[in-house]
Amino acid sequence: AQRVTQPEKLLSVFKGAPVELKCNYSYSGSPELFWYVQYSRQRLQLLLRHISRESIKGFTADLNKGETSFHLKKPFAQEEDSAMYYCALERFNKFYFGSGTKLNVKP
Amino acid sequence: GAGVSQSPSNKVTEKGKDVELRCDPISGHTALYWYRQSLGQGLEFLIYFQGNSAPDKSGLPSDRFSAERTGGSVSTLTIQRTQQEDSAVYLCASSQGTGKAYEQYFGPGTRLTVT
Repeated sequence: AQRVTQPEKLLSVFKGAPVELKCNYSYSGSPELFWYVQYSRQRLQLLLRHISRESIKGFTADLNKGETSFHLKKPFAQEEDSAMYYCALERFNKFYFGSGTKLNVKP
Repeated sequence: GAGVSQSPSNKVTEKGKDVELRCDPISGHTALYWYRQSLGQGLEFLIYFQGNSAPDKSGLPSDRFSAERTGGSVSTLTIQRTQQEDSAVYLCASSQGTGKAYEQYFGPGTRLTVT
């Protein structure tokens, strides 16, 4: 069965510090992975997707098939990055989400 | 244009009652998804509709849950004989298609509380 694990419920960092939000998955095939973000009082929205190899708002995520991970990284966190972040895996048109990590960037 | 809308935003119901949750997708989006998010948990896939194809109901947790999509647009998620464990936020999302290539646009959710 597909499973997405985000081991940290809460991650607090200071502004300007690097941040890494962890995501591990269990899936035997070639996964398609995503990061979604939910800012305070806003809707859940797509942040980035593996297939696009993109960097959005300074965030990047690299798929590591050996470690079955898709960690989200940003070299210098900003206060406006404070939000809930969800990692998701797509298989056969269905999406499986992790339980989320709340990122708190302190001034 | 308008995004995905859901109604009601909050619903409190007594155990054993039936509830209907509504989702209005973005116009022209052929795919529509329903998810459930229980407290402290991630989003749990329930069902998706794609165009005129039969829906994928594989995530519905029991036969008390059903959903329909009329005219390829509005969708209704119905929960019969609600139980306390049904308390959650129910999210709807729509996209131009299904799968990894299409971005899902989420609604604000309906918070269901079963007392």
